[in-house]
Amino acid sequence: AQSVAQPEDQVNVAEGNPLTVKCTYSVSGNPYLFWYVQYPNRGLQFLLKYITGDNLVKGSYGFEAEFNKSQTSFHLKKPSALVSDSALYFCAVRTGRGSTLGRLYFGRGTQLTVWP
Amino acid sequence: DSGVTQTPKHLITATGQRVTLRCSPRSGDLSVYWYQQSLDQGLQFLIQYYNGEERAKGNILERFSAQQFPDLHSELNLSSLELGDSALYFCASSVGLAGGNYNEQFFGPGTRLTVL
Repeated sequence: AQSVAQPEDQVNVAEGNPLTVKCTYSVSGNPYLFWYVQYPNRGLQFLLKYITGDNLVKGSYGFEAEFNKSQTSFHLKKPSALVSDSALYFCAVRTGRGSTLGRLYFGRGTQLTVWP
Repeated sequence: DSGVTQTPKHLITATGQRVTLRCSPRSGDLSVYWYQQSLDQGLQFLIQYYNGEERAKGNILERFSAQQFPDLHSELNLSSLELGDSALYFCASSVGLAGGNYNEQFFGPGTRLTVL
């Protein structure tokens, strides 16, 4: 069965410091990995994805994520956090085959708070 | 703005009632997905339609049903509502069925359903 784990419910970081939001996954076959961000009273916004190729993926708003196949992880990173980055972050995975093709499996979300 | 629209934004109703949530996908997108976001279950996939046909089913209750119309908009029907159905319901769309390297899902702003 496909699943995603975000081990931290909350991450707190000071503005200007680097941030990491962790994600591990379990999937049959090759994973297609995504990060989404949700601001209060808004829908999910796509940040970045890993499909194949370079393990370091760059996305919107200065975010990047590193795919690690051996550790089945896809951690979200940013070198210098902004207060405006404070939001709820979701990691998601989908498979590339089978009856669940297209369906996204989401983690529980990590609330990121960046303080001034 | 993702280009996915959902109506209504908010819906308050009573137990036992029936409601219809509407979604218009981004222009050109053929796939529509429905997700439910609740505090206890997190983000759960409900159902997917592609070009008018049901393609995948997730944790969707029998009291719930959906359809996609020829103009590609979709409706999610929730009947015999219970208190536990209170949640944020998201619609997402993507270009294709699921495969392909550029097939991320774009989410609408959601419909917040409150069952009293």
